[in-house]
Amino acid sequence: QSALTQPPSVSGSPGQSVTISCTGTTSDVGSYNRVSWYQQSPGTAPKVIIYEVSNRPSGVPDRFSGSKSGNTASLTISGLQAGDEADYYCCSYRSDITYVFGSGTKVTVL
Amino acid sequence: QVHLVQSGAEVKMPGASVKISCKASGYIFTTYTMHWVRQAPGQRLEWMGWNKVANGNTGYSQNFHGRVTLTSDTSASMLYMELTSLTFEDTAIYYCVRGGGFSWFDFWGQGTLVTVSS
Repeated sequence: QSALTQPPSVSGSPGQSVTISCTGTTSDVGSYNRVSWYQQSPGTAPKVIIYEVSNRPSGVPDRFSGSKSGNTASLTISGLQAGDEADYYCCSYRSDITYVFGSGTKVTVL
Repeated sequence: QVHLVQSGAEVKMPGASVKISCKASGYIFTTYTMHWVRQAPGQRLEWMGWNKVANGNTGYSQNFHGRVTLTSDTSASMLYMELTSLTFEDTAIYYCVRGGGFSWFDFWGQGTLVTVSS
């Protein structure tokens, strides 16, 4: 099972918006609205920030938003803050009743 | 509140097996499916498998070629992950994770570092 494809890194200045893509196949991202996104700071466990493509868990700021088109899901961080610096991973349910994570994207705030 | 507390770090020789435990509390144990995810140093997250603790059904990533076994003890709210035939590439932090809803992971254990070294 190959990882979903994410850009290795994205960067932006404080206040700007950045978007991270997550490309899969018709066996995962393209067929199910079961894409989630996780934020991971160094030395800590991941934290869910988006589930089922575009839903935010309680406590996650609305600066984080998700969407999907075809086989590609996207995470947008608006109003970028220094505290948003972290690694971000997408994850999708697959047709064989398994799950697959993305390759990960490092977000840098300039 | 939900807590997932994992067993401590392990050091194993190549070819050996490791079994990690995860104690769940703060919710009805049999209501949720549990997952295991690992992360090698500096690498991406890798999903390993799921365990529907209510009936013991399991599903595994093909990437582990049958080396992973997930079990649970509902009377003790405990989860277990056993990985056999360890290689250096199995050095990683292993997380037990609760499945929130049908397709996402809402609570994570603190992680257990497994080091494979000769």
